[in-house]
Amino acid sequence: DTEVTQTPKHLVMGMTNKKSLKCEQHMGHRAMYWYKQKAKKPPELMFVYSYEKLSINESVPSRFSPECPNSSLLNLHLHALQPEDSALYLCASSQVGGSNQPQHFGDGTRLSIL
Amino acid sequence: TQLLEQSPQFLSIQEGENLTVYCNSSSVFSSLQWYRQEPGEGPVLLVTVVTGGEVKKLKRLTFQFGDARKDSSLHITAAQPGDTGLYLCAGAPPPPKDDYKLSFGAGTTVTVRA
Repeated sequence: DTEVTQTPKHLVMGMTNKKSLKCEQHMGHRAMYWYKQKAKKPPELMFVYSYEKLSINESVPSRFSPECPNSSLLNLHLHALQPEDSALYLCASSQVGGSNQPQHFGDGTRLSIL
Repeated sequence: TQLLEQSPQFLSIQEGENLTVYCNSSSVFSSLQWYRQEPGEGPVLLVTVVTGGEVKKLKRLTFQFGDARKDSSLHITAAQPGDTGLYLCAGAPPPPKDDYKLSFGAGTTVTVRA
Protein backbone atom coordinates (compact mmCIF):
# COMPACT_ATOMS: atom_id res chain seq x y z
CA ASP A 1 0.00 0.00 0.00
CA THR A 2 1.23 3.47 -0.89
CA GLU A 3 1.99 5.86 1.97
CA VAL A 4 0.73 8.79 -0.09
CA THR A 5 -3.05 8.69 -0.42
CA GLN A 6 -4.84 10.44 -3.26
CA THR A 7 -8.57 10.96 -3.67
CA PRO A 8 -10.57 10.50 -5.75
CA LYS A 9 -9.02 7.70 -7.82
CA HIS A 10 -11.09 8.65 -10.85
CA LEU A 11 -12.78 11.93 -11.76
CA VAL A 12 -14.88 12.85 -14.76
CA MET A 13 -15.83 16.49 -15.10
CA GLY A 14 -17.15 18.91 -17.62
CA MET A 15 -15.21 21.93 -18.77
CA THR A 16 -17.27 24.30 -16.62
CA ASN A 17 -17.08 22.30 -13.38
CA LYS A 18 -15.03 23.06 -10.29
CA LYS A 19 -13.45 20.13 -8.49
CA SER A 20 -10.52 19.42 -6.19
CA LEU A 21 -7.95 16.67 -5.97
CA LYS A 22 -6.65 15.73 -2.54
CA CYS A 23 -3.39 14.23 -1.34
CA GLU A 24 -2.37 13.18 2.16
CA GLN A 25 0.85 11.81 3.65
CA HIS A 26 1.85 11.06 7.25
CA MET A 27 5.56 10.39 6.77
CA GLY A 28 6.58 13.79 8.12
CA HIS A 29 7.73 14.92 4.70
CA ARG A 30 7.86 18.69 4.28
CA ALA A 31 8.17 18.73 0.47
CA MET A 32 5.13 17.87 -1.63
CA TYR A 33 4.65 17.78 -5.37
CA TRP A 34 2.00 17.68 -8.08
CA TYR A 35 2.78 15.97 -11.38
CA LYS A 36 0.77 15.43 -14.56
CA GLN A 37 1.33 12.19 -16.46
CA LYS A 38 0.09 11.13 -19.88
CA ALA A 39 -0.07 7.43 -20.87
CA LYS A 40 3.36 5.73 -21.15
CA LYS A 41 5.12 9.07 -20.61
CA PRO A 42 7.15 10.30 -17.64
CA PRO A 43 5.56 12.55 -15.01
CA GLU A 44 5.75 16.28 -15.70
CA LEU A 45 6.32 18.49 -12.68
CA MET A 46 3.61 21.08 -12.02
CA PHE A 47 4.14 22.44 -8.49
CA VAL A 48 6.45 21.98 -5.51
CA TYR A 49 5.68 22.99 -1.93
CA SER A 50 8.41 23.20 0.67
CA TYR A 51 7.40 23.81 4.30
CA GLU A 52 3.86 24.53 3.10
CA LYS A 53 5.02 27.34 0.84
CA LEU A 54 4.88 27.21 -2.95
CA SER A 55 8.48 27.07 -4.16
CA ILE A 56 8.04 25.98 -7.79
CA ASN A 57 5.29 26.65 -10.32
CA GLU A 58 6.29 25.24 -13.71
CA SER A 59 4.27 27.85 -15.64
CA VAL A 60 1.07 25.92 -15.04
CA PRO A 61 -2.17 27.55 -16.36
CA SER A 62 -4.19 29.33 -13.71
CA ARG A 63 -7.08 26.88 -14.14
CA PHE A 64 -4.96 24.68 -11.84
CA SER A 65 -4.67 26.13 -8.34
CA PRO A 66 -2.62 24.32 -5.69
CA GLU A 67 -3.07 24.65 -1.95
CA CYS A 68 -1.12 23.25 0.99
CA PRO A 69 -3.28 23.78 4.10
CA ASN A 70 -0.87 21.93 6.43
CA SER A 71 2.21 19.74 6.35
CA SER A 72 0.21 16.57 5.61
CA LEU A 73 -2.24 17.79 2.99
CA LEU A 74 -1.96 19.00 -0.56
CA ASN A 75 -4.88 20.00 -2.75
CA LEU A 76 -5.21 20.81 -6.42
CA HIS A 77 -8.25 22.92 -7.30
CA LEU A 78 -9.52 22.60 -10.85
CA HIS A 79 -11.70 25.04 -12.77
CA ALA A 80 -12.59 25.45 -16.44
CA LEU A 81 -10.32 22.64 -17.59
CA GLN A 82 -9.75 21.71 -21.21
CA PRO A 83 -9.93 18.23 -22.82
CA GLU A 84 -6.14 18.19 -23.13
CA ASP A 85 -5.95 18.33 -19.32
CA SER A 86 -7.19 14.73 -19.18
CA ALA A 87 -4.35 12.77 -17.57
CA LEU A 88 -3.17 10.99 -14.44
CA TYR A 89 -2.38 13.51 -11.69
CA LEU A 90 0.22 12.28 -9.26
CA CYS A 91 1.07 13.62 -5.85
CA ALA A 92 4.45 12.91 -4.28
CA SER A 93 6.27 13.78 -1.09
CA SER A 94 9.86 13.74 0.11
CA GLN A 95 12.16 14.97 2.81
CA VAL A 96 13.30 18.51 2.17
CA GLY A 97 16.81 18.84 0.80
CA GLY A 98 16.26 18.94 -2.93
CA SER A 99 15.94 16.42 -5.70
CA ASN A 100 18.39 13.91 -4.14
CA GLN A 101 15.65 12.99 -1.70
CA PRO A 102 13.65 10.03 -3.04
CA GLN A 103 10.05 10.88 -3.83
CA HIS A 104 7.14 8.77 -2.67
CA PHE A 105 4.25 8.80 -5.11
CA GLY A 106 0.57 8.22 -4.62
CA ASP A 107 -1.40 6.11 -7.09
CA GLY A 108 -2.83 9.19 -8.74
CA THR A 109 -6.19 10.56 -9.78
CA ARG A 110 -7.28 9.62 -13.31
CA LEU A 111 -8.94 12.78 -14.62
CA SER A 112 -11.16 12.86 -17.70
CA ILE A 113 -12.49 16.13 -19.07
CA LEU A 114 -15.62 15.88 -21.19
CA THR B 1 16.31 20.94 -17.19
CA GLN B 2 19.06 18.41 -17.89
CA LEU B 3 18.23 15.88 -20.60
CA LEU B 4 18.16 12.16 -19.79
CA GLU B 5 17.85 9.86 -22.81
CA GLN B 6 16.32 6.53 -21.94
CA SER B 7 16.36 3.50 -24.23
CA PRO B 8 14.77 1.44 -25.51
CA GLN B 9 11.29 2.95 -25.42
CA PHE B 10 9.57 -0.44 -25.58
CA LEU B 11 10.83 -3.92 -24.73
CA SER B 12 8.88 -7.16 -25.06
CA ILE B 13 10.59 -10.36 -23.96
CA GLN B 14 9.81 -13.93 -22.99
CA GLU B 15 9.85 -15.02 -19.35
CA GLY B 16 13.35 -16.13 -18.36
CA GLU B 17 15.19 -13.78 -20.72
CA ASN B 18 17.46 -10.95 -19.61
CA LEU B 19 17.01 -7.25 -20.41
CA THR B 20 18.88 -3.99 -20.00
CA VAL B 21 17.54 -0.43 -19.93
CA TYR B 22 19.85 2.54 -20.42
CA CYS B 23 19.77 6.16 -19.32
CA ASN B 24 22.33 8.51 -20.82
CA SER B 25 23.09 12.19 -20.54
CA SER B 26 25.79 14.70 -21.36
CA SER B 27 25.19 16.26 -17.93
CA VAL B 28 26.43 15.20 -14.53
CA PHE B 29 23.90 14.17 -11.90
CA SER B 30 24.45 14.12 -8.16
CA SER B 31 22.27 11.01 -7.97
CA LEU B 32 20.00 8.94 -10.15
CA GLN B 33 16.80 7.24 -9.13
CA TRP B 34 15.03 4.31 -10.82
CA TYR B 35 11.28 3.88 -10.52
CA ARG B 36 8.86 1.20 -11.73
CA GLN B 37 5.25 2.06 -12.44
CA GLU B 38 2.59 -0.60 -12.91
CA PRO B 39 -0.72 0.13 -14.66
CA GLY B 40 -3.12 2.03 -12.42
CA GLU B 41 -0.47 2.86 -9.84
CA GLY B 42 2.06 5.55 -9.13
CA PRO B 43 5.81 5.15 -9.64
CA VAL B 44 7.58 3.16 -6.93
CA LEU B 45 11.21 3.88 -6.13
CA LEU B 46 13.48 0.91 -6.80
CA VAL B 47 16.90 2.35 -6.00
CA THR B 48 18.97 5.53 -5.73
CA VAL B 49 22.58 5.48 -6.96
CA VAL B 50 24.86 8.24 -5.75
CA THR B 51 28.52 7.35 -6.26
CA GLY B 52 30.18 7.16 -9.67
CA GLY B 53 30.81 3.50 -10.59
CA GLU B 54 28.33 2.30 -7.97
CA VAL B 55 26.57 -1.03 -8.52
CA LYS B 56 23.48 -1.95 -6.54
CA LYS B 57 21.59 -5.23 -6.64
CA LEU B 58 17.97 -5.77 -5.76
CA LYS B 59 17.24 -9.50 -6.17
CA ARG B 60 17.30 -10.03 -9.97
CA LEU B 61 17.76 -6.32 -10.71
CA THR B 62 21.23 -4.78 -11.05
CA PHE B 63 21.69 -1.02 -11.23
CA GLN B 64 24.88 0.71 -12.27
CA PHE B 65 25.88 4.38 -12.13
CA GLY B 66 28.51 5.44 -14.63
CA ASP B 67 31.94 6.54 -13.40
CA ALA B 68 31.30 10.11 -14.56
CA ARG B 69 27.76 10.10 -13.10
CA LYS B 70 26.29 10.86 -16.52
CA ASP B 71 24.67 7.52 -17.27
CA SER B 72 23.05 4.52 -15.63
CA SER B 73 21.73 1.11 -16.54
CA LEU B 74 19.21 -1.34 -15.16
CA HIS B 75 19.71 -5.03 -15.90
CA ILE B 76 17.07 -7.65 -15.10
CA THR B 77 18.10 -11.30 -15.04
CA ALA B 78 15.58 -14.06 -15.79
CA ALA B 79 12.67 -11.67 -16.18
CA GLN B 80 9.26 -12.65 -14.83
CA PRO B 81 5.77 -11.41 -15.76
CA GLY B 82 5.74 -9.46 -12.48
CA ASP B 83 8.57 -7.31 -13.87
CA THR B 84 6.15 -5.86 -16.43
CA GLY B 85 5.76 -2.10 -16.10
CA LEU B 86 7.03 1.33 -17.04
CA TYR B 87 10.62 1.86 -15.89
CA LEU B 88 11.68 5.45 -15.30
CA CYS B 89 15.09 6.87 -14.55
CA ALA B 90 15.28 10.29 -12.92
CA GLY B 91 18.37 12.39 -12.34
CA ALA B 92 18.98 14.93 -9.60
CA PRO B 93 21.01 17.94 -10.72
CA PRO B 94 24.15 18.80 -8.75
CA PRO B 95 24.33 21.91 -6.55
CA PRO B 96 23.64 24.74 -6.88
CA LYS B 97 20.79 23.57 -9.16
CA ASP B 98 19.39 21.20 -6.55
CA ASP B 99 15.89 22.62 -6.63
CA TYR B 100 13.59 19.59 -6.36
CA LYS B 101 13.36 19.23 -10.14
CA LEU B 102 14.12 15.69 -11.17
CA SER B 103 14.97 15.14 -14.85
CA PHE B 104 12.99 12.11 -15.96
CA GLY B 105 13.88 9.88 -18.87
CA ALA B 106 11.14 9.15 -21.39
CA GLY B 107 10.48 5.75 -19.80
CA THR B 108 10.81 2.15 -20.99
CA THR B 109 7.67 0.04 -21.23
CA VAL B 110 8.68 -3.53 -20.42
CA THR B 111 6.38 -6.45 -21.16
CA VAL B 112 7.38 -9.93 -19.99
CA ARG B 113 5.34 -12.68 -21.65
CA ALA B 114 4.64 -15.88 -19.76
